[in-house]
Amino acid sequence: NAGVTQTPKFRVLKTGQSMTLLCAQDMNHEYMYWYRQDPGMGLRLIHYSVGEGTTAKGEVPDGYNVSRLKKQNFLLGLESAAPSQTSVYFCASELGYEQYFGPGTRLTVT
Amino acid sequence: GDSVTQMEGPVTLSEEAFLTINCTYTATGYPSLFWYVQYPGEGLQLLLKATKADDKGSNKGFEATYRKETTSFHLEKGSVQVSDSAVYFCATGGGADGLTFGKGTHLIIQP
Repeated sequence: NAGVTQTPKFRVLKTGQSMTLLCAQDMNHEYMYWYRQDPGMGLRLIHYSVGEGTTAKGEVPDGYNVSRLKKQNFLLGLESAAPSQTSVYFCASELGYEQYFGPGTRLTVT
Repeated sequence: GDSVTQMEGPVTLSEEAFLTINCTYTATGYPSLFWYVQYPGEGLQLLLKATKADDKGSNKGFEATYRKETTSFHLEKGSVQVSDSAVYFCATGGGADGLTFGKGTHLIIQP
């Protein structure tokens, strides 16, 4: 039982490049989330999903897109990366009001 | 929307000292309240939670009581250890809309 895994762990992008972050969970949870963590800001919700085929915007959705084609996977895409998107990205799944977090992806946009 | 305010620190204590990290919240209705802990280089882990007024969450010697009258959920531990050094996040919400986090409190325990 791996829990929540994230790929990749680290990535450096140039401004304007695109990429996709993959989150996978093996706990059969319906709810999944993407957060970003910035110094002095805590975690802020980007997008979330309440089930396969559904997505919704969180607090800071601009510049990101998501897809939930399979229940176990939740993808976060950056179409045209900007330096303001330099951050640590965390994925989480939830069951019974308890969220389970992945180890994070550290993204740097230069 | 919901919001959470917590002391940001860093908070530096000696081993075996008493710990309090304050947390207050604003939210509609009767939200659930949580404390998460993040160790260096890792994701967040649930430390404890409380789902209704006057509930006390506890885990690993940490405690927090849901105080609706003061909209607070302060984290306490009677005797901290070096291994408790981490960043602690207070949060409210849960369910489909996700969690609203405070900015985190960096705790440093010195031997």
